[in-house]
Amino acid sequence: QQPVQSPQAVILREGEDAVINCSSSKALYSVHWYRQKHGEAPVFLMILLKGGEQKGHEKISASFNEKKQQSSLYLTASQLSYSGTYFCGTEGSNDYKLSFGAGTTVTVRA
Amino acid sequence: EAQVTQNPRYLITVTGKKLTVTCSQNMNHEYMSWYRQDPGLGLRQIYYSMNVEVTDKGDVPEGYKVSRKEKRNFPLILESPSPNQTSLYFCASKTGQRHTEAFFGQGTRLTVV
Repeated sequence: QQPVQSPQAVILREGEDAVINCSSSKALYSVHWYRQKHGEAPVFLMILLKGGEQKGHEKISASFNEKKQQSSLYLTASQLSYSGTYFCGTEGSNDYKLSFGAGTTVTVRA
Repeated sequence: EAQVTQNPRYLITVTGKKLTVTCSQNMNHEYMSWYRQDPGLGLRQIYYSMNVEVTDKGDVPEGYKVSRKEKRNFPLILESPSPNQTSLYFCASKTGQRHTEAFFGQGTRLTVV
């Protein structure tokens, strides 16, 4: 099953913060985050493993709550370059499928 | 350069005419997968493969076939395309370990008329 992402879309001004959530109904081994610019392929941002590990990428960070099967992506002090569609991907504890959510479209305006 | 290569990038075809979209990776990855991307639905998995001769259905396999005869190639076959298969298709590959990143091809935009 696909993980569920929220919100579907968010509009920000430069410098504002945003949070994107991802949840799954199955036990997870890892959560991936990718960003897709218009007309391009998704590009890897980071992976979080079970254990509540938090990772960061520039001013983009994420957390993973293994017990709730949820992950959140934090966009801090957003820049114009952060615009795009963000996808979370999940790998289950009992399988090797990499499934993606419906995506969250982020628009950062000057 | 490490990459996943899909061909063609764009394809317009007619209903019922068999077609193949090729995918090749040069990273010796065990895992390969096909996704289709539709507005509002995100990336939905069609089929995936854990290694040569090992394939499994994803979430939307109906109307598609795949094969994995060589480690580097994972073609997607539409035996009898229909208009509801008009979509943007992505191939992806990664190692067989679960905590490694996926690399995506540039996408194939397919239109079935």
